[in-house]
Amino acid sequence: QQQVKQSPQSLIVQKGGIPIINCAYENTAFDYFPWYQQFPGKGPALLIAIRPDVSEKKEGRFTISFNKSAKQFSLHIMDSQPGDSATYFCAARERGQNFVFGPGTRLSVLP
Amino acid sequence: DGGITQSPKYLFRKEGQNVTLSCEQNLNHDAMYWYRQDPGQGLRLIYYSQIVNDFQKGDIAEGYSVSREKKESFPLTVTSAQKNPTAFYLCASSIGRQGSGTQYFGPGTRLLVL
Repeated sequence: QQQVKQSPQSLIVQKGGIPIINCAYENTAFDYFPWYQQFPGKGPALLIAIRPDVSEKKEGRFTISFNKSAKQFSLHIMDSQPGDSATYFCAARERGQNFVFGPGTRLSVLP
Repeated sequence: DGGITQSPKYLFRKEGQNVTLSCEQNLNHDAMYWYRQDPGQGLRLIYYSQIVNDFQKGDIAEGYSVSREKKESFPLTVTSAQKNPTAFYLCASSIGRQGSGTQYFGPGTRLLVL
């Protein structure tokens, strides 16, 4: 119940495309859902985060869509660029507990 | 310039040797964490500390030890009991205690076995 499932494992899109990464969870007590971006050999960097009382959040070209009833949330990258090529992790946290991370999605944006 | 620093960037361990990875933060964060990342896998929690002089085991603490003598420092020792230590180690911190703030990560240390 503490797992966060993430798909796909890897994703290849053309420049300008809209990659979508999906995450699903079971624990309804999760109350905070961040996404992290990690470049090879670097630490993950916080990209965008959402709470379950909001269905969508946008920051620049990155959008989180949240479906509380389905217990799913997804990351959309608008007008993707080769510089967006990285591994993306979703995570979830229940207040008072540690974060649970998805296994990651490796995104490649072709020029 | 605030942030989390980890050193060294690369570390080599000989069999039977203990090695210590450094993590320092100047963000005035209460909580600090150590994660292990293996290729193609997510992050697994080794140890965490919510306050100075206190720390708890995470999911994969066997073969590791930590200390938290200062708020800004949380070193991780990989002991000889850890039989498969080759991995990328990430330190993180958060402003509040467990569960009350976003985690921010350091640049990582890659540990390799000779």
